[in-house]
Amino acid sequence: AQSVAQPEDQVNVAEGNPLTVKCTYSVSGNPYLFWYVQYPNRGLQFLLKYITGDNLVKGSYGFEAEFNKSQTSFHLKKPSALVSDSALYFCAVRATTSGTYKYIFGTGTRLKVLA
Amino acid sequence: GAVVSQHPSRVICKSGTSVKIECRSLDFQATTMFWYRQFPKKSLMLMATSNEGSKATYEQGVEKDKFLINHASLTLSTLTVTSAHPEDSSFYICSGGHGGGAYNEQFFGPGTRLTVL
Repeated sequence: AQSVAQPEDQVNVAEGNPLTVKCTYSVSGNPYLFWYVQYPNRGLQFLLKYITGDNLVKGSYGFEAEFNKSQTSFHLKKPSALVSDSALYFCAVRATTSGTYKYIFGTGTRLKVLA
Repeated sequence: GAVVSQHPSRVICKSGTSVKIECRSLDFQATTMFWYRQFPKKSLMLMATSNEGSKATYEQGVEKDKFLINHASLTLSTLTVTSAHPEDSSFYICSGGHGGGAYNEQFFGPGTRLTVL
């Protein structure tokens, strides 16, 4: 079965410190991976994606993610966290079933950046 | 990035009535749109895939007669919650991708908060 796991329900980090939000995946075939952020009562906003190429992907707001095929992971990172980064983060994978595609989301990780 | 709008942003209705939620791609065409339901403990559940000009594909456990989806044009998909009940109260979000590529990221609407009394 194709799936995405975000093992941490919440991550707390002090402002200025590096942050990591973890994501692992299970797909058949090549993985197409995405990170989205959601602010309160808002829809999701795209941060970055991995389709092919360089394992280190850079995205919006200074975020980056590292694709690791051997560990089937796609962790989200930022060198220096800001209070404004506090939000809900979702990892997603594109899954193909019977010739159609859809996106499977992880359960989300709430990031709290403390001043 | 591309813009997806949803209307209404918030709706309160009485039990037994029907509610229609619109999802529009404002600056791109989307042959496929997705409808999600987000529960209070944050997880995002895919309800159905909306295909322009054809029937929607529903996920297992989602009642297609209760959640009617119509994708009448390349820029508009609608979700109608029929005979709504309090357990249908939730945050509904749609998404679409432009360029027709399945590898493209999805752009999400701001969501619709439905409260059924």
